[in-house]
Amino acid sequence: GAGVSQSPSNKVTEKGKDVELRCDPISGHTALYWYRQSLGQGLEFLIYFQGNSAPDKSGLPSDRFSAERTGGSVSTLTIQRTQQEDSAVYLCASSRRTSGVTDTQYFGPGTRLTVL
Amino acid sequence: GQNIDQPTEMTATEGAIVQINCTYQTSGFNGLFWYQQHAGEAPTFLSYNVLDGLEEKGRFSSFLSRSKGYSYLLLKELQMKDSASYLCAVRSISSGSARQLTFGSGTQLTVLP
Repeated sequence: GAGVSQSPSNKVTEKGKDVELRCDPISGHTALYWYRQSLGQGLEFLIYFQGNSAPDKSGLPSDRFSAERTGGSVSTLTIQRTQQEDSAVYLCASSRRTSGVTDTQYFGPGTRLTVL
Repeated sequence: GQNIDQPTEMTATEGAIVQINCTYQTSGFNGLFWYQQHAGEAPTFLSYNVLDGLEEKGRFSSFLSRSKGYSYLLLKELQMKDSASYLCAVRSISSGSARQLTFGSGTQLTVLP
């Protein structure tokens, strides 16, 4: 079946503008994760959704970052008043469930955000 | 907190064997993953270890020692297409029950002809 999809693939914005990044997880996957990958850095966890439970927002770097997941499927990551340090590749991943032994996360192609 | 270390870069020759090491410090360990990431692409899953020992999957094998906080990824019969970044990631069970992954910075492997 189809993998994780993200849009847009690239986004260039001006400092101070708001941006929305979208993620469509694999159908049937109840867990969804957002990560950020800055140049030369490892992936940094941002936020996690599991079913209808309250999201784990422990990785969000500031209150300018927020995310929603509607209907247990599509998720939107919103960055308000973007700053240059927000420039990175934003990766979304989904997994089937969290109770399994493996519960592999499958990643989307990412959105490359550039803040000028 | 969690800390994951892996070499920044490695170079090997086509047809050879290369071992990429990863050491980690974490609480609530619940598995170690290896991902491959080609430039500009998404990470793709390679292997998973939760018990000590060696997991073999074709040309790729991964080893885990929980007592030493150590893993390695072994790539045999290297091919040019294996040139990529290899990410070591540790999963832990936090108090919030999230099974988030903590990633190392990745090892950039270059395979030379």
